[in-house]
Amino acid sequence: AQSVAQPEDQVNVAEGNPLTVKCTYSVSGNPYLFWYVQYPNRGLQFLLKYITGDNLVKGSYGFEAEFNKSQTSFHLKKPSALVSDSALYFCAASSSNTGKLIFGQGTTLQVKP
Amino acid sequence: NAGVTQTPKFQVLKTGQSMTLQCAQDMNHNSMYWYRQDPGMGLRLIYYSASEGTTDKGEVPNGYNVSRLNKREFSLRLESAAPSQTSVYFCASSHGETQYFGPGTRLLVL
Repeated sequence: AQSVAQPEDQVNVAEGNPLTVKCTYSVSGNPYLFWYVQYPNRGLQFLLKYITGDNLVKGSYGFEAEFNKSQTSFHLKKPSALVSDSALYFCAASSSNTGKLIFGQGTTLQVKP
Repeated sequence: NAGVTQTPKFQVLKTGQSMTLQCAQDMNHNSMYWYRQDPGMGLRLIYYSASEGTTDKGEVPNGYNVSRLNKREFSLRLESAAPSQTSVYFCASSHGETQYFGPGTRLLVL
């Protein structure tokens, strides 16, 4: 069965420090990979995606993610965290653009001043 | 552009009652989706519509029906609500590979 795993329920970082939110996937074929962010009582906002090409993908608000095919991972990163980055982050994958996204369970990012 | 809009924002139902969740998008997208979000489980696909006039089941379709009324609108119906359907429901739309989400409907079934 295809799946996406986010091994950490919560990640805590201090403001100004680098952050990483982990994601691994098990999807057949060439996966399309996505990161979304959800602020309290809001819908999901698209951050970035990997379809093909450069393994390092840059997205909104200074976030980036690295696709690693051998480790089947797509970790979200940011060089310097802001308190305003505190939110719930979802990794998602689809198999060769079927359009059907499989979501991880989400990781709460807490950035402390 | 309003993007993806959903109504209502919040609803309380009694077990056995029916209701329809409305979703509309103004981005001229072909595909539309309905998800439910439950704590610790991420989002799970209920139904989707690849184009006007077509609908298909997702991962958790039981207890739901959908209607793709036209290109803009995709509604989700609960014929006989159950407490297990207490959740937050999100509609999304896409033209290519990226899906764009509405603000959600919070549903409580007592």
